[in-house]
Amino acid sequence: AQSVTQPDIHITVSEGASLELRCNYSYGATPYLFWYVQSPGQGLQLLLKYFSGDTLVQGIKGFEAEFKRSQSSFNLRKPSVHWSDAAEYFCAVLSSNTGKLIFGQGTTLQVKP
Amino acid sequence: NAGVTQTPKFQVLKTGQSMTLQCAQDMNHNSMYWYRQDPGMGLRLIYYSASEGTTDKGEVPNGYNVSRLNKREFSLRLESAAPSQTSVYFCASSENRGRTGELFFGEGSRLTVL
Repeated sequence: AQSVTQPDIHITVSEGASLELRCNYSYGATPYLFWYVQSPGQGLQLLLKYFSGDTLVQGIKGFEAEFKRSQSSFNLRKPSVHWSDAAEYFCAVLSSNTGKLIFGQGTTLQVKP
Repeated sequence: NAGVTQTPKFQVLKTGQSMTLQCAQDMNHNSMYWYRQDPGMGLRLIYYSASEGTTDKGEVPNGYNVSRLNKREFSLRLESAAPSQTSVYFCASSENRGRTGELFFGEGSRLTVL
């Protein structure tokens, strides 16, 4: 069955430090992968997506993600974190069976001043 | 731009009571969805509507019903609320039956069942 795993439930980084949020997927073919962000009290917003082509994908708010087929990973990165990046981040894969998104459990990012 | 609007934002129910969560989108999207969000569980799909006039079950449909009233509106009904339905509910919409994976979410409705 297709699935998405985010190994880190909670991550704390200092403002200005780099960030990497991990995402691993289980999928037979080439996956369609996504990262969404949820600010406190808000709905989810799409950060970036990968369908095919260049394995390094640029998104909004200075985020990027790299698709690595050999590691079944799609990790999210940002070179320098801002306090406003504190939020919950969800990785998702588009199911080929249902055409619906399968979400990971989410990673909560806390940013220290 | 309103996007996806959900009402109410907060609701407290007693076990056995019924209620309807309302959702409307103004982006002329074909597909609409209801998710629930629980700690450590991510988002789980309750029901979806690929287009006006159609609805289908998602991962966790038990205890819920939906109505796609028209292209804009998609409501979620709890006929007899249970404490296990305490959650944050999100409505979302997308253009092309979700195939692009880009969903637009409302701000959520926090439901507590006592």
